[in-house]
Amino acid sequence: RKEVEQDPGPFNVPEGATVAFNCTYSNSASQSFFWYRQDCRKEPKLLMSVYSSGNEDGRFTAQLNRASQYISLLIRDSKLSDSATYLCVVRKGGGGNKLTFGTGTQLKVEL
Amino acid sequence: NAGVMQNPRHLVRRRGQEARLRCSPMKGHSHVYWYRQLPEEGLKFMVYLQKENIIDESGMPKERFSAEFPKEGPSILRIQQVVRGDSAAYFCASSPPTGADEQYFGPGTRLTVT
Repeated sequence: RKEVEQDPGPFNVPEGATVAFNCTYSNSASQSFFWYRQDCRKEPKLLMSVYSSGNEDGRFTAQLNRASQYISLLIRDSKLSDSATYLCVVRKGGGGNKLTFGTGTQLKVEL
Repeated sequence: NAGVMQNPRHLVRRRGQEARLRCSPMKGHSHVYWYRQLPEEGLKFMVYLQKENIIDESGMPKERFSAEFPKEGPSILRIQQVVRGDSAAYFCASSPPTGADEQYFGPGTRLTVT
């Protein structure tokens, strides 16, 4: 079983739609959680950290359920520029700093 | 405020040659990480370094790969005797000294082995 699992998509949605991505992680020792976005052949860029209480940044809302080991990302009012691959990322605690990446969910926002 | 810098951006090597990839962290960052992304795959952790120390190399292949982060100068990822399977994008990330979870990535080096 992969440490971080995501639906690969693609999710094809019209501009203005709301879209949700889900992610599960297997290591209960994971302590930090993030969403990154990666445009084709570019570096991953940090979209937002994910906190247990849930957090929002503009059109983006992230949720974490530690009991279910489940992370979500909601994008409201999708823009063409949101088209990218969204990477679910976890970091195990205990002094280790390495990030473990999911393989990503591809989003295509269309006119 | 320059971000993480990597060079070269593209590197072509023939089988058996050596590849050297360089990474300069963001200003004020002293932690460096190397990740590899094989075609159509997710990013995989390779190594975590601080100045003059390798902290975690659990993701490094046992042979041909080495990394360093000297007191002065960039971090170097070195691949000896490259093979076709080494063709990938190699990303470097950096983070501040302590207490920060977030890692910021450089633009990557795309290595092609012919």
